[in-house]
Amino acid sequence: LAKTTQPISMDSYEGQEVNITCSHNNIATNDYITWYQQFPSQGPRFIIQGYKTKVTNEVASLFIPADRKSSTLSLPRVSLSDTAVYYCLVAFSGGYNKLIFGAGTRLAVHP
Amino acid sequence: GAGVSQSPSNKVTEKGKDVELRCDPISGHTALYWYRQRLGQGLEFLIYFQGNSAPDKSGLPSDRFSAERTGESVSTLTIQRTQQEDSAVYLCASSPGQLEQYFGPGTRLTVT
Repeated sequence: LAKTTQPISMDSYEGQEVNITCSHNNIATNDYITWYQQFPSQGPRFIIQGYKTKVTNEVASLFIPADRKSSTLSLPRVSLSDTAVYYCLVAFSGGYNKLIFGAGTRLAVHP
Repeated sequence: GAGVSQSPSNKVTEKGKDVELRCDPISGHTALYWYRQRLGQGLEFLIYFQGNSAPDKSGLPSDRFSAERTGESVSTLTIQRTQQEDSAVYLCASSPGQLEQYFGPGTRLTVT
């Protein structure tokens, strides 16, 4: 499984757009990029996944360049409730996935 | 519909005692995973079930750890002769397919 690298922490303010970039240099052809969000004392929550180009849902957007060696999670107009840890992972589409979670990015949104 | 549920939500036990942690996955999800999360750290994979079989037990840290799944539904993670380093949050996730996993709220285990 490809190893991912992302910033340890980020700070933002309410109403701003937040972009969290993740690198995954060894991503394989069958791997998808997935992002999870975790609040304190809760299990992680799946927020978005993509293979290439751009994916958007009601929560976030995911930008993936052509070489797929990195990806950027974009959270539009964050609020205090977006304060959480965000994990970037690669998930293998050809079978099961023992997701490898790193330390994630701790996002703090300030008033 | 109901999500993944886990019980108990908190467990305090004495060193050397055995504990059982339960996971009820989302109905119809064939894949089930157990992870462990130590304070302030990411998740560690423990074991994966497809149906009632466990093709990947590679994450179990020692032979004190075991898990089973019955009826392609509920799963139990058992830790024998608990040690202080077993203190962590144990998370269960179920999945309908290959990519997206739905996590339960976890069981916080404290070994004194």
